[in-house]
Amino acid sequence: EAQVTQNPRYLITVTGKKLTVTCSQNMNHEYMSWYRQDPGLGLRQIYYSMNVEVTDKGDVPEGYKVSRKEKRNFPLILESPSPNQTSLYFCASSLGYSLNTGELFFGEGSRLTVL
Amino acid sequence: SQQGEEDPQALSIQEGENATMNCSYKTSINNLQWYRQNSGRGLVHLILIRSNEREKHSGRLRVTLDTSKKSSSLLITASRAADTASYFCALGGNTPLVFGKGTRLSVIA
Repeated sequence: EAQVTQNPRYLITVTGKKLTVTCSQNMNHEYMSWYRQDPGLGLRQIYYSMNVEVTDKGDVPEGYKVSRKEKRNFPLILESPSPNQTSLYFCASSLGYSLNTGELFFGEGSRLTVL
Repeated sequence: SQQGEEDPQALSIQEGENATMNCSYKTSINNLQWYRQNSGRGLVHLILIRSNEREKHSGRLRVTLDTSKKSSSLLITASRAADTASYFCALGGNTPLVFGKGTRLSVIA
């Protein structure tokens, strides 16, 4: 089954404790992206990757890191989480974002709470 | 980056009625996409309409695109309680998809 898998789905952590949210897709997609969703602000892009070893900042990259060492995986790293990073995070992938291949497939989300 | 703006922000209708939501934007696009999100879940792609298309259908969904007015509409016909969700438009161009803030649709049985 084609899917994007995120882990963990729920996490409560404390300020400053490094954490990683994993994302894996089994569709051989080139493009992967991380979003955060906050009430009243919609989905905001954190980072995206067009292919292995190619990553770019989205609209809200501060406080986050990513890596793309393999095509299928795109982990999101919070080196020193802070309470303002409490949010619902989504990983998504697509073949690309050109005219014909722009459909995004989303994971089920990771709800992160930073105390 | 520019995002689409959905209108209305919230919509409440009775089961069986049609629901219409709109998306306006300011930038040039290659395509416009609509997604649905059930509460707290991942977004699901509904339909993609290219900039050279004016109308597209998928089941009970009808999407129109007017590039001269920079607007799109999503019509859901004969709505069901299961259509209750948030609906987002997303602008596709030469940069990553940009999402609007969504329309919250409530379908009352």
